[in-house]
Amino acid sequence: DTEVTQTPKHLVMGMTNKKSLKCEQHMGHRAMYWYKQKAKKPPELMFVYSYEKLSINESVPSRFSPECPNSSLLNLHLHALQPEDSALYLCASSQSGTGGFYGYTFGSGTRLTVV
Amino acid sequence: AQKVTQAQTEISVVEKEDVTLDCVYETRDTTYYLFWYKQPPSGELVFLIRRNSFDEQNEISGRYSWNFQKSTSSFNFTITASQVVDSAVYFCALSPLDTGRRALTFGSGTRLQVQP
Repeated sequence: DTEVTQTPKHLVMGMTNKKSLKCEQHMGHRAMYWYKQKAKKPPELMFVYSYEKLSINESVPSRFSPECPNSSLLNLHLHALQPEDSALYLCASSQSGTGGFYGYTFGSGTRLTVV
Repeated sequence: AQKVTQAQTEISVVEKEDVTLDCVYETRDTTYYLFWYKQPPSGELVFLIRRNSFDEQNEISGRYSWNFQKSTSSFNFTITASQVVDSAVYFCALSPLDTGRRALTFGSGTRLQVQP
């Protein structure tokens, strides 16, 4: 299995809702990432987890709450979002460690619309 | 700090023309990785190539070729005999080798439109 699976593919939520995005990989990768991509912009890094510990947080607002319950799963909990948070949310994984780094594997993304 | 610059916002060519997408990067690291990704309208990021900073050999894969020049901090991408299916946004990206800081920094992207 060489894929990163993201669910749901599309999500519409109200500003008072709580929802979660899910990302799963079974490649044995120990680093996982959340990126946010606004329309016509490049992906921007939000969070990095390495060995299930948060290693990079790019000053993301607290209404976005990441969670890495095990080495295969990465969640992004959403609460009280704003319309400007509407974007494509991409998950990625990579091997951690100095041996055999082959790059990043991206999921197909969750397209989020906040109304 | 790392930075990737793709000065060409949008390029339009006619099918079968060759096209080169430019990428210039800045980093204080002596070792790093460079990448190119393709993003079609469906949104997924399609990996095209990874190059580490030790290896300045150019690479050719079918109609795609890459020219890495460390002296000018450039990693340009050429599509030969372009096709309509090549229409997409192309991102150049940079990643440290250091596992503690390993994450991709993307350029702003170049939108390529190939007209039939």
